[in-house]
Amino acid sequence: EVQLVESGGGLVQPGGSLRLSCSVSGLSFSTYSMYWVRQAPGRGLEYVSGISDNGGSTYYADSMKGRFTISRDNSRNTLYLQMSSLRPEDTAVYYCVKIAAFAGYYYYIDVWGKGTTVTVSS
Amino acid sequence: DIQMTQSPSSLSASVGDRVTITCRASQSISRYLNWYQQKSGKAPKVLIYATSNLQSGVPSRFSGSGSGTDFTLTISNLQPEDFATYYCQQSYNPLKGSFGQGTNLEIK
Repeated sequence: EVQLVESGGGLVQPGGSLRLSCSVSGLSFSTYSMYWVRQAPGRGLEYVSGISDNGGSTYYADSMKGRFTISRDNSRNTLYLQMSSLRPEDTAVYYCVKIAAFAGYYYYIDVWGKGTTVTVSS
Repeated sequence: DIQMTQSPSSLSASVGDRVTITCRASQSISRYLNWYQQKSGKAPKVLIYATSNLQSGVPSRFSGSGSGTDFTLTISNLQPEDFATYYCQQSYNPLKGSFGQGTNLEIK
């Protein structure tokens, strides 16, 4: 069974930092691209960041660029999100998600973690 | 960045109805469009990928169509378990897949 288990969320003050981790099991982690997606309380889904299977390509939503860094350790089957200069509007549940590819180039999210909650507040 | 706009934001319907949710991209995305369903307190799940391909296990009353900038999700013969929030997502840039704002489907 494929499992994505996020950790590292918590309460942090504005301007602070936090590192989220996502431990992946049940699949060949190094062969899949991954994303972080977040959902603020009562709000919709928001793309945060994506990373290619080998970590060589990374992308960010504009509002996170320069503050968040996505990375992965394929030897540890773990995805990371380093977040800095956190703002109250970054308060959300952060989901680790696996990307599937149909016909080699139609990408979609086929597995979601349960999420980890980040609260930015003084 | 590609912006995705869904309409309506909320929708009331009855069991047995047929409903359509639309999604518009700010630029052409060919058929790189996915649909997800999210129920309260749960992680989303994919319903349709690449515009019209039904994910395994998803009932055939769900269907998708479109290309370029305009896409639709249609649910025929609404069932009680279909009342949820629906999101479209573009994957034209496969590592930067933005979402629509969501459509909340409620029971009338």
